Amino acid sequence: AQSVTQLGSHVSVSEGALVLLRCNYSSSVPPYLFWYVQYPNQGLQLLLKYTTGATLVKGINGFEAEFKKSETSFHLTKPSAHMSDAAEYFCAVSDRAGGFKTIFGAGTRLFVKA
Amino acid sequence: DVKVTQSSRYLVKRTGEKVFLECVQDMDHENMFWYRQDPGLGLRLIYFSYDVKMKEKGDIPEGYSVSREKKERFSLILESASTNQTSMYLCASSLSPEPLHFGNGTRLTVT
Repeated sequence: AQSVTQLGSHVSVSEGALVLLRCNYSSSVPPYLFWYVQYPNQGLQLLLKYTTGATLVKGINGFEAEFKKSETSFHLTKPSAHMSDAAEYFCAVSDRAGGFKTIFGAGTRLFVKA
Repeated sequence: DVKVTQSSRYLVKRTGEKVFLECVQDMDHENMFWYRQDPGLGLRLIYFSYDVKMKEKGDIPEGYSVSREKKERFSLILESASTNQTSMYLCASSLSPEPLHFGNGTRLTVT
């Protein structure tokens, strides 16, 4: 069975600092991995996804994530935080062999201090 | 841009009422999803549909049903609302098995 663990329900960074949001997954088959962002009072928006191929994936708004199979991790980073990055971020894993069951992590709320 | 529209942003219903949550997408996507979002639990899949009149149970289908009579519309039905169904409900659509385009959500309160 698949699972996703996001380390830290809240992360706080200063504007201009590195953003690092951690995600570890469990999957019995090669996974598809996703990061979504949710701004206040909105639905989720896809930031980036890993399916196959290059393990460093670039997404929107300057975010990127690296798939590390040996560590079963898919951490999200951004070199320099902006106030507009304050939101909740969700990591998700999909097992295509299992059909349509995408599993979401509990979410990490990012705070950006001026 | 893909648009997924959920008909209500906020709903307040009484225990025992039958509740309909409507979702419409404008991109001819085969796949549509209903999720429930609760703090600390992330998103949990209630039902999904991969074609008109086709539906499959997700992880927490109890107390819910769905209807997909037209490709663009996917309705979530709470047969008899209960207080433990107070939550944020998110609809999504996609061409792939993973949800890619989300609506803004319906916050349902059952009193």
